[in-house]
Amino acid sequence: EAGVVQSPRYKIIEKKQPVAFWCNPISGHNTLYWYLQNLGQGPELLIRYENEEAVDDSQLPKDRFSAERLKGVDSTLKIQPAELGDSAVYLCASSWREGAYNEQFFGPGTRLTVL
Amino acid sequence: AQTVTQSQPEMSVQEAETVTLSCTYDTSENNYYLFWYKQPPSRQMILVIRQEAYKQQNATENRFSVNFQKAAKSFSLKISDSQLGDTAMYFCAFASGTYKYIFGTGTRLKVLA
Repeated sequence: EAGVVQSPRYKIIEKKQPVAFWCNPISGHNTLYWYLQNLGQGPELLIRYENEEAVDDSQLPKDRFSAERLKGVDSTLKIQPAELGDSAVYLCASSWREGAYNEQFFGPGTRLTVL
Repeated sequence: AQTVTQSQPEMSVQEAETVTLSCTYDTSENNYYLFWYKQPPSRQMILVIRQEAYKQQNATENRFSVNFQKAAKSFSLKISDSQLGDTAMYFCAFASGTYKYIFGTGTRLKVLA
């Protein structure tokens, strides 16, 4: 079974540029999460999807961040424009259904560096 | 608001020995779940063990077990017979019934040969 796939693995951009991250969850997983992980910190939830619906985006900075999950499968997280403080690892995770108890399967993350 | 605290930034243990990682949390909810996730160097984060708050019995998974003290809001992870492959960052996590996931800051564990 293929795991959660993320691309790109690394991205270096200059501040004020746009950037997008892509995530393909495990087949059949309805719940998808995007996390931000700063160096030396634990993941912080940005947004959670149940199928194609964003059910929790309270921590997503909506002035510059946006996300979509068309058709309830793949998801894209975008930052426009990027700021120096956005340098971090962006993790995508999925679980097979809604429920706080369910195991989350994480992707390898995208490491973003903003210069 | 819920919080998760891991007070040990780094720990080390000799191979084959036992080590305990600490985690405390704060919540006013009665129904919640606790997790330990492992993030090996340059590899994906994976679930180690989980505990439902309404269960008094401590969860165990092979060499991994937890000491869940609900009144004290403590959830420690014990790794027995430590192996080199256990070297990783370990994150304690809390999830409420409303699916708010909160991760701690992590403990970096190094298993020494």
